[in-house]
Amino acid sequence: GENVEQHPSTLSVQEGDSAVIKCTYSDSASNYFPWYKQELGKRPQLIIDIRSNVGEKKDQRIAVTLNKTAKHFSLHITETQPEDSAVYFCAASTYLARDNDMRFGAGTRLTVKP
Amino acid sequence: EAQVTQNPRYLITVTGKKLTVTCSQNMNHEYMSWYRQDPGLGLRQIYYSMNVEVTDKGDVPEGYKVSRKEKRNFPLILESPSPNQTSLYFCASSLVSGGAGEQFFGPGTRLTVL
Repeated sequence: GENVEQHPSTLSVQEGDSAVIKCTYSDSASNYFPWYKQELGKRPQLIIDIRSNVGEKKDQRIAVTLNKTAKHFSLHITETQPEDSAVYFCAASTYLARDNDMRFGAGTRLTVKP
Repeated sequence: EAQVTQNPRYLITVTGKKLTVTCSQNMNHEYMSWYRQDPGLGLRQIYYSMNVEVTDKGDVPEGYKVSRKEKRNFPLILESPSPNQTSLYFCASSLVSGGAGEQFFGPGTRLTVL
């Protein structure tokens, strides 16, 4: 089955700096890669996702890149703000597969210092 | 309001006492899923359902049961809870078949098994 590894487990940056979180996956059939943000005491919420036919996707200060050959994908947050502080999870699954389980990484706790 | 609801939100129980955590969505989503969240382990999928009467095991199904008799409901059943099932549980649903679309999470159920 799929295995998703996420690094680093904790990340501390100064407000205004960039933050990068990296994930690797094991199943070459995986073709859908979402990123979720979970604020303290709240439920996870999707912030961006990418499918395997695209190498990069941007949404304002957030971008995700995908390298299918190396089986890794990354979340980039630019101009970080204190409200970006949260736990971020990457995940991988196979779009429209007969059996579709969703595997999440262990999470990255991002702290943005004012 | 489009939402995923879970009940109860908090539950303290004893080993061996059967319990059910309910999950309901009002968005006519086909895909529903249960996760448990433990420190350092991220979100691990317990069971998922692609549609009514179709359920599959996720990453950690042992000790759990589910059913999908109606499209909107996806209860999680612990027939004989044990202390290692103490965790934060999230239900989620997705419009896209196969789960490869935004998953909307419920508010979470914090379960303690003594």
